Parts: sequence; structure tokens; C-alpha cells
Amino acid sequence: EAGVTQSPTHLIKTRGQQATLRCSPISGHTSVYWYQQALGLGLQFLLWYDEGEERNRGNFPPRFSGRQFPNYSSELNVNALELEDSALYLCASSSTARDKQFFGPGTRLTVL
Amino acid sequence: QKEVEQDPGPLSVPEGAIVSLNCTYSNSAFQYFMWYRQYSRKGPELLMYTYSSGNKEDGRFTAQVDKSSKYISLFIRDSQPSDSATYLCAMSAAGANNLFFGTGTRLTVIP
Repeated sequence: EAGVTQSPTHLIKTRGQQATLRCSPISGHTSVYWYQQALGLGLQFLLWYDEGEERNRGNFPPRFSGRQFPNYSSELNVNALELEDSALYLCASSSTARDKQFFGPGTRLTVL
Repeated sequence: QKEVEQDPGPLSVPEGAIVSLNCTYSNSAFQYFMWYRQYSRKGPELLMYTYSSGNKEDGRFTAQVDKSSKYISLFIRDSQPSDSATYLCAMSAAGANNLFFGTGTRLTVIP
């Protein structure tokens, strides 16, 4: 069974640009979660999508947004990039809401 | 105060040693407790998943939860060099989906 996949592996942007990160959940999983893992801060919850709807968001500004497509894949958009947005962005999926979360390998975003 | 506290280490042990990793938390609403292992430049891998208080064993790994003390532990028996990784504790409240993570403990098992 294929795990959670994310693309791209690495992304380099300059301050003020927009970044788009993509995630494909495990087949059969309907919930997708996004987390940010910044150096020294640990993983912080960003967004949760279930059945195409945003169900919850963490303590991040509105320039972090996303969506979930009918095939349950998801996209995270970060607008007006700031230097401190440099981090590993991890996507996780679960078979149902509130079930175990399985993580992808992450997208490393570097903002110059 | 962070909701989840975890000693960042680093922790270095000889092969075959018993490793004890711990987290404390402040939110009494947390009901689900997890341990993830993260190798360098990889995503976290779910190791253990427990509900409420008690022990759970899986091979060389044992997870303990003491809700009265707001304290969780992961024990690794007969540690191997392949166990060298960062170990993250995570937890969530009933009815909620977002996980709260510790900052991770970096473990090195020396052959």
C-alpha cells in the first residue's frame, strides 16, 4: 500500500512570492492534515481537511490556506512568503476523522 | 508554558541498552497519545498509539501513559543502531483532530 506522497521535495522561493505544496493521501483516507516543522519549534498544526471541507486551522495567519480536491488530495498555499516560513511542511492522512495520522516525507520550503 | 514538553536530548546509549523517553503535558483534555519516530530528512513514522492511561507493548517498544501525573513514556528494549532517530511524542483531545507535538528527543545508539 502506497503511503502519503508529497511534492515537490524541495522548493526555493524568494520573500513575497507564493508557494504551492501538494499532498496525496493514502488510498481510502479522506482526512488530510498539514503541519509545519520549523527548526527548534517542533511540529505545529496548520490545517485539517475532511470530505473537501476545511474543518480546523491552527494559529497561523490567513496567508496560509489550502483546499482538498474530490479525490481527497490536497494543496497548501502560502502567500506573501516571509523568511520565517522556511520549514519542512508535512502532510498526514487518516482513514476517518480522528483516526491515526500517517505522515508523508514532507516538502522543504526555503524562503530567501 | 508549552502544552507538551519533551527533553530534546541528545541521548546517546550503547547498543543493547534500555532507552526511556518521556513527555509531560499540561492539558488534561488529552486522551490519545502517540509516539512517532523521525529519521533525518524523513517524515514522522507512527510507532505507538494509545488511548487514556495504561501500558501498550509492541515488540521491543512499550508505551506508558499516566494521566494522573500528565506523563507519558516510551521504552525501547535491546536498542539497536537502527533505532537512532528523533522520537516525537504527540497527543490530542477527544473530539479533536489536531495533534500537539513535543519538540522531539534525538537518540543515538552506538554499536
